[in-house]
Order: sequence, then structure tokens, then C-alpha cells
Amino acid sequence: GQQLNQSPQSMFIQEGEDVSMNCTSSSIFNTWLWYKQDPGEGPVLLIALYKAGELTSNGRLTAQFGITRKDSFLNISASIPSDVGIYFCAGLEAGGTSYGKLTFGQGTILTVHP
Amino acid sequence: NAGVTQTPKFQVLKTGQSMTLQCAQDMNHEYMSWYRQDPGMGLRLIHYSVGAGITDQGEVPNGYNVSRSTTEDFPLRLLSAAPSQTSVYFCASRALSRGAFFGQGTRLTVV
Repeated sequence: GQQLNQSPQSMFIQEGEDVSMNCTSSSIFNTWLWYKQDPGEGPVLLIALYKAGELTSNGRLTAQFGITRKDSFLNISASIPSDVGIYFCAGLEAGGTSYGKLTFGQGTILTVHP
Repeated sequence: NAGVTQTPKFQVLKTGQSMTLQCAQDMNHEYMSWYRQDPGMGLRLIHYSVGAGITDQGEVPNGYNVSRSTTEDFPLRLLSAAPSQTSVYFCASRALSRGAFFGQGTRLTVV
């Protein structure tokens, strides 16, 4: 099946630092999504991107839909302790028999030291 | 708004037992899906549905059945539980071509 390569797998940073993570795919996606999962909870949608080249912000979070439609990145500025969690990218496939299926990356585990 | 509601939140089964994980959404979304989450494996798609009466297999469908008799409900059935099905299960719903909303998860242990 479709695979998304998300990196890095984990990050250990100091409070106040900026964070960057990305996802790449071998196939084209129509939509890129970024989720955050807190311990014991379901993933929560942070940012949705619907157009190639689109740059969208949500507070301290900024995400971009790559021009090739095969990649996306998420930046978190001035990290705080509550940013701790697992961040997932997800891509919505462009067509064919898999139209409408959402594929997830493996996740980036973020740890923020006060 | 309730969003996506999953029950139960926790469940312990003996090998061979059957059970149904419930999922309901109140957003009138066409698309619903079930994922399992295992350490280091991310979220893997079990089954999905693009509307009432329509279901299809995902990446890891073996050992699971689904049905979609209404837009709101999408139950997941384990016919004969196995230890390999110990996992956290998430139900999600979305409008087509939009981001998915997840339930809080069902933590299943099969002993």
C-alpha cells in the first residue's frame, strides 16, 4: 500500500526552540493533513492543506503543501511544554481505486524539556 | 457536539471471544474508517466506508468485519479475538476530501 515517510522519528528539544518535521511520498496527494496525538487520546487535526504550494498557519504552527504534491512540512515556533506529543502527517490520495483513502506517516514523537 | 464517539474505552477479551466496537458520529460525514495503532507502527487502516451500505478493506482487514447500515454508525466486529489484535483502535469520520475527526480510542487487550 501507499507509504508516507515521516521524519524525524523523534525529537528532544528545549523549551523555546523551533521544530521542523516533514513527510514525503512517492505518489501525489490531493490533501495533506497534520495531526497531534496526546497520550491516551485520539489524533486531533491541527492543519489541513488543499492546494499545492499552500502555506497555512495555526498559531505557532505553520505547514506547507509541497509544489510537487508529494511532500509537506510542519514547523512549530517557540516550543512550549504542552507541545509534547506525537505528530502525524496524513495524505489523501489523488485518484484511482484508492480515491478518498487517508494514509498516515509513522509519527514524530516530540519531547520538550523545560 | 459529540463528534465521534467510541465505546467501550477499555476492553479485555479472552482468546476466541467475539465483540463489537461501537462508533457513532453526528456530523453527517459520508466517510468513516477504523484504524489500529500499535507501537512503532503508526495508524493502520482496517476497514472503511464511503457511505451507508458500502464498505471496503483497508491495509490490515483480516480478523475484522464491518457494516454500515446508517450514516451515523460504523461498528467493528472481532469474530474470534487473538492476542495479535491487542491494540488501540480508533474510529474516524470525515466529509470526502476533508480532514478526519477521530474518536478517543478503544484500548483492547486479548489474553
